[in-house]
Amino acid sequence: SAVISQKPSRDICQRGTSLTIQCQVDSQVTMMFWYRQQPGQSLTLIATANQGSEATYESGFVIDKFPISRPNLTFSTLTVSNMSPEDSSIYLCSVEGISGRDYNEQFFGPGTRLTVL
Amino acid sequence: TQLLEQSPQFLSIQEGENLTVYCNSSSVFSSLQWYRQEPGEGPVLLVTVVTGGEVKKLKRLTFQFGDARKDSSLHITAAQPGDTGLYLCAGDPGNTGKLIFGQGTTLQVKP
Repeated sequence: SAVISQKPSRDICQRGTSLTIQCQVDSQVTMMFWYRQQPGQSLTLIATANQGSEATYESGFVIDKFPISRPNLTFSTLTVSNMSPEDSSIYLCSVEGISGRDYNEQFFGPGTRLTVL
Repeated sequence: TQLLEQSPQFLSIQEGENLTVYCNSSSVFSSLQWYRQEPGEGPVLLVTVVTGGEVKKLKRLTFQFGDARKDSSLHITAAQPGDTGLYLCAGDPGNTGKLIFGQGTTLQVKP
């Protein structure tokens, strides 16, 4: 399996500001994903980060609010823009395609816990 | 529409007890994954089941995939406090390359 890191691990931000979360993988991967999770609850997919093209967003999530970059096969960023307290959540990146098996197995970073005041 | 119904959502048991978590759907999955997540960490993949009727064992954890590949279960024998965490099932029903997750089961095992 790969080592997946996220920065920052946590942050407290003021409403109206933006935060960029970084996700770094120690090997090249095809698919990278960004999720949001309320503590103790399940995961909601925000978008798929595609290398070399625009991210693909799920229903309810838009590029203006959650711009994503994927400059290469080992790195991606998610920006939470113009934050409000409703954006307080855990943000997770995941990767697929590192297990060598074709079963959609995803491996997750440790998450970024965001609190918006 | 929740494509993966996971139950129960909360479970609080004593050390040594057995438990089963269920993951049900009306959709057919080519594979299903089970993850475990501890506070402050990302979900960790426990197992992937791919064949209808398949049973996989991971120490005290037994995973089963339904014959029709629409449901799965996780059985823990003699639970220990270290089993405490959030258990999630996940799958890709439409072969879109994207996972959908069940609602999760929060397990607390008391010493």
